[in-house]
Amino acid sequence: EAQVTQNPRYLITVTGKKLTVTCSQNMNHEYMSWYRQDPGLGLRQIYYSMNVEVTDKGDVPEGYKVSRKEKRNFPLILESPSPNQTSLYFCASSLGRGGRGYEQYFGPGTRLTVT
Amino acid sequence: GENVEQHPSTLSVQEGDSAVIKCTYSDSASNYFPWYKQELGKGPQLIIDIRSNVGEKKDQRIAVTLNKTAKHFSLHITETQPEDSAVYFCAAIGGDNTGKLIFGQGTTLQVKP
Repeated sequence: EAQVTQNPRYLITVTGKKLTVTCSQNMNHEYMSWYRQDPGLGLRQIYYSMNVEVTDKGDVPEGYKVSRKEKRNFPLILESPSPNQTSLYFCASSLGRGGRGYEQYFGPGTRLTVT
Repeated sequence: GENVEQHPSTLSVQEGDSAVIKCTYSDSASNYFPWYKQELGKGPQLIIDIRSNVGEKKDQRIAVTLNKTAKHFSLHITETQPEDSAVYFCAAIGGDNTGKLIFGQGTTLQVKP
């Protein structure tokens, strides 16, 4: 089944404790992206990657890191989480730019709480 | 950069009625406009999209219209059913050629039986 998976689905942590949220897709997609969803703000892009070893900042990159060492995986790293990073996080992937490549497929989400 | 505004933020309709959600965008270079449905506890799922060379697209009970001159697009759901209750997001591809989607703020649709 074609899908985007994220782990963990729920995470409660404390300020300053490094964490990683994994994302994996099995559709051989080139484009992957991380979003955060906050009430009243919709989904905002954190980082995106157009291909292996190619990553760039989205609209709200502060406090986050990403890496793209393999095509299927795109982990989101919070080196020193703070309470304002409490949010619902989504990973998404698509074939790439243009035509049907714009269609993004979303993972199930990771609800992160930082105390 | 691109900015997408979505209205209303909440919408309540009776089963069988129609629902309309409207979005405006700022970047005239945007050429792809998807709509996503997010059910409780799940990720957004694409339900319909439209490209800038088309004015209207329909898929069963849902349709999307695009007015490029006015820079707005709308989602129309006819004969609403309780299972249509969800959060709906519009989005637009930014004109910066990065493939980045800019989302509206979301509309919570409640269909009352």
